[in-house]
Amino acid sequence: AQTVTQSQPEMSVQEAETVTLSCTYDTSENNYYLFWYKQPPSRQMILVIRQEAYKQQNATENRFSVNFQKAAKSFSLKISDSQLGDTAMYFCAFMKQRGAQKLVFGQGTRLTINP
Amino acid sequence: DTGVSQDPRHKITKRGQNVTFRCDPISEHNRLYWYRQTLGQGPEFLTYFQNEAQLEKSRLLSDRFSAERPKGSFSTLEIQRTEQGDSAMYLCASSSDAGDTQYFGPGTRLTVL
Repeated sequence: AQTVTQSQPEMSVQEAETVTLSCTYDTSENNYYLFWYKQPPSRQMILVIRQEAYKQQNATENRFSVNFQKAAKSFSLKISDSQLGDTAMYFCAFMKQRGAQKLVFGQGTRLTINP
Repeated sequence: DTGVSQDPRHKITKRGQNVTFRCDPISEHNRLYWYRQTLGQGPEFLTYFQNEAQLEKSRLLSDRFSAERPKGSFSTLEIQRTEQGDSAMYLCASSSDAGDTQYFGPGTRLTVL
């Protein structure tokens, strides 16, 4: 079975700073997908960024980028120029390429951006 | 495209009562997922539909839980004889094809008294 571990329960940074959230996972699969989802307080889960395991190039979406280290099974999220609206729970998630393709989530990191 | 919708958004019930939740996926998404999220935790997979067929169920889905997706459109999740341990956020997500991103609804927060 796949597992996803987020070792930072909470993080707090000042607005405009850069912050990196950690995620490690365990799998015997070779082909899979990795995601970061954001869940603002009392609001729904939205996709931040996704990475296909077969792609060596790290995914980027505006201020959000990942550091995907397949051999180390590590998938960290970097948020540059953080904004107050980035305050949320962030979940790392794994999805196999085969079968039902259900998401396996980590425990989450609560990120607070301070003014 | 109006996104994934769920109804109701909140449900308070007494222990032992039955409850039913509804999920309307993004139109033409053939894959639909139910997850459960307890406070401070990541969502956990409950069940998966491809069109109208329920193809996988988690061990978390006890025999008090049943899900349907008639005609491959909306889905319902019913919990019979609710228990306090069923209190959680129930999330629905949909996707269009293999490997595609899952889009989540706002969830139904269930409180069992």
